Amino acid sequence: DVKVTQSSRYLVKRTGEKVFLECVQDMDHENMFWYRQDPGLGLRLIYFSYDVKMKEKGDIPEGYSVSREKKERFSLILESASTNQTSMYLCASSEVGQTSGANVLTFGAGSRLTVL
Amino acid sequence: TQLLEQSPQFLSIQEGENLTVYCNSSSVFSSLQWYRQEPGEGPVLLVTVVTGGEVKKLKRLTFQFGDARKDSSLHITAAQPGDTGLYLCGGNTGKLIFGQGTTLQVKP
Repeated sequence: DVKVTQSSRYLVKRTGEKVFLECVQDMDHENMFWYRQDPGLGLRLIYFSYDVKMKEKGDIPEGYSVSREKKERFSLILESASTNQTSMYLCASSEVGQTSGANVLTFGAGSRLTVL
Repeated sequence: TQLLEQSPQFLSIQEGENLTVYCNSSSVFSSLQWYRQEPGEGPVLLVTVVTGGEVKKLKRLTFQFGDARKDSSLHITAAQPGDTGLYLCGGNTGKLIFGQGTTLQVKP
């Protein structure tokens, strides 16, 4: 089975701290994504990457950056955490499907971040 | 910004009832996916629909993609408590964007 592992399930940080959220996938997928999930807002795309050292902004990139130095690892960085970044963060990976480019995502279990 | 609107956002029903969840957009998608998420876990893919008008069945779940590929529905027949969870639709535009989700509670 494809596995996407998010190393930290729960984190509590203080305002202004630098936060690293790590994500590793073991199926040699090209594509990796970071979403945040908030009640009533669904999943919103923060950043994604289609290749090593490549990154693209999603719909809500402000306050975040990412790093993809190796194919299997995609890190989300909060340079200076703020209380409005308290959320569930979901990492996902995919390879392009064989039909019509369907992007089938495999998600990690999530990292719940609380910023005090 | 492309939007996917899911309705209803919350649904609480008795075991054995039928229900339909809708996913609508003004945008055309190359494909659309439905995911189910349980507490403490990430979403898990249920189905991908690709062709306008396509209907797919997964046991008691029926998924339909609109003819214009702008909307989709998920129908559950004779819901079971095990169907409880958050249902998410995701539309593919090269990246996957999601609706707000529908929280379903099926009471025994």
